Amino acid sequence: SAVISQKPSRDICQRGTSLTIQCQVDSQVTMMFWYRQQPGQSLTLIATANQGSEATYESGFVIDKFPISRPNLTFSTLTVSNMSPEDSSIYLCSGRTAEKEHGYTFGSGTRLTVV
Amino acid sequence: AQSVAQPEDQVNVAEGNPLTVKCTYSVSGNPYLFWYVQYPNRGLQFLLKYITGDNLVKGSYGFEAEFNKSQTSFHLKKPSALVSDSALYFCAVRDMNYGGATNKLIFGTGTLLAVQP
Repeated sequence: SAVISQKPSRDICQRGTSLTIQCQVDSQVTMMFWYRQQPGQSLTLIATANQGSEATYESGFVIDKFPISRPNLTFSTLTVSNMSPEDSSIYLCSGRTAEKEHGYTFGSGTRLTVV
Repeated sequence: AQSVAQPEDQVNVAEGNPLTVKCTYSVSGNPYLFWYVQYPNRGLQFLLKYITGDNLVKGSYGFEAEFNKSQTSFHLKKPSALVSDSALYFCAVRDMNYGGATNKLIFGTGTLLAVQP
């Protein structure tokens, strides 16, 4: 199945700054997703990254705060903008692979701490 | 709305004993169900999935899960637990829209499995 490389693995950032997280897939995936996992909680879908067009955001998430790019089928970035301590979370990207495989694979996550 | 529930925040089991991590779901139509494991400071690793076919699904690391349509459950099981199985386990279901599966996964709240030596 596809392997996703995600970086950085962790970062400590000052409030008011922005961080861009990158995900690179070693093979084509049909769809890419970005999730947030707040401390001690489950995964919440932020948005679906669409190749060459604007991402599709879930309720409660907006493009100005979480701009996403996906210039091709194997690469996507998520930016966490104007960060506050409430943005401290683990951010994970995911790719949907062919149906005959297990379907979804995940990056190793980015642990973000905002101080 | 589609949902998945993991009623136990934590499951404790002694090494060598069987383990069960519970998951129930609520979807319209036929569910696509998944189990993932998350080790500390790691991403999610796929364990197994149920799409169709046999109700007993075998997955990675000796885990299996039984799909029970009448009870809307998909409990994760392992005959003999290892200390190295200690991790956070997530059940997930593909979201459904107008009877068809979408591409989104809906996750449960997670169950922390602690295996004591």
